[in-house]
Amino acid sequence: GENVEQHPSTLSVQEGDSAVIKCTYSDSASNYFPWYKQELGKRPQLIIDIRSNVGEKKDQRIAVTLNKTAKHFSLHITETQPEDSAVYFCAARDSGNTPLVFGKGTRLSVIA
Amino acid sequence: DVKVTQSSRYLVKRTGEKVFLECVQDMDHENMFWYRQDPGLGLRLIYFSYDVKMKEKGDIPEGYSVSREKKERFSLILESASTNQTSMYLCASNVGGPDTQYFGPGTRLTVL
Repeated sequence: GENVEQHPSTLSVQEGDSAVIKCTYSDSASNYFPWYKQELGKRPQLIIDIRSNVGEKKDQRIAVTLNKTAKHFSLHITETQPEDSAVYFCAARDSGNTPLVFGKGTRLSVIA
Repeated sequence: DVKVTQSSRYLVKRTGEKVFLECVQDMDHENMFWYRQDPGLGLRLIYFSYDVKMKEKGDIPEGYSVSREKKERFSLILESASTNQTSMYLCASNVGGPDTQYFGPGTRLTVL
């Protein structure tokens, strides 16, 4: 089955700097890669996703890149703000109806 | 706006008690999922369901069972609660396929 590895487990950046979180997956059939943000005490919420027919997707300060050959994808947050502080989860799944497989999460701290 | 609700935000039970965690979604979603979240371990899938009266084991089903008698409701049952089941439990749902998965607010269960 699918296995998703996520790094780093914790990340601290200065406000205004960029943050990058990386994930690798094992199943070459996977073609959907969402990213979830979980603020303290709240539910995980989807912030961006990418499908295997594109290599990059942007939404304001957030971007995700996908390298299908190397089987890895990354979340990029530019001009970080204190409200970006949260736990971020990557996930992967194939085109069937199988459940998402999540990484273990990255705790991002943005220091003002 | 998708709503996934869970019956309790906080629950305290005694070892050996039977515990019911309820999840309801209001968007006519086919798929429903139960996860537990523990620090450093991410989101681990317990059980999922693709249809009424249908259930599939996830990665950590031991000690749990589920029930889906109606499409909108998915219940997680701890037949005999143990202290190692103290955790945050998150329910989720989606339409099906590579589609956004929506989470409930979570139930923090403490077993004494």
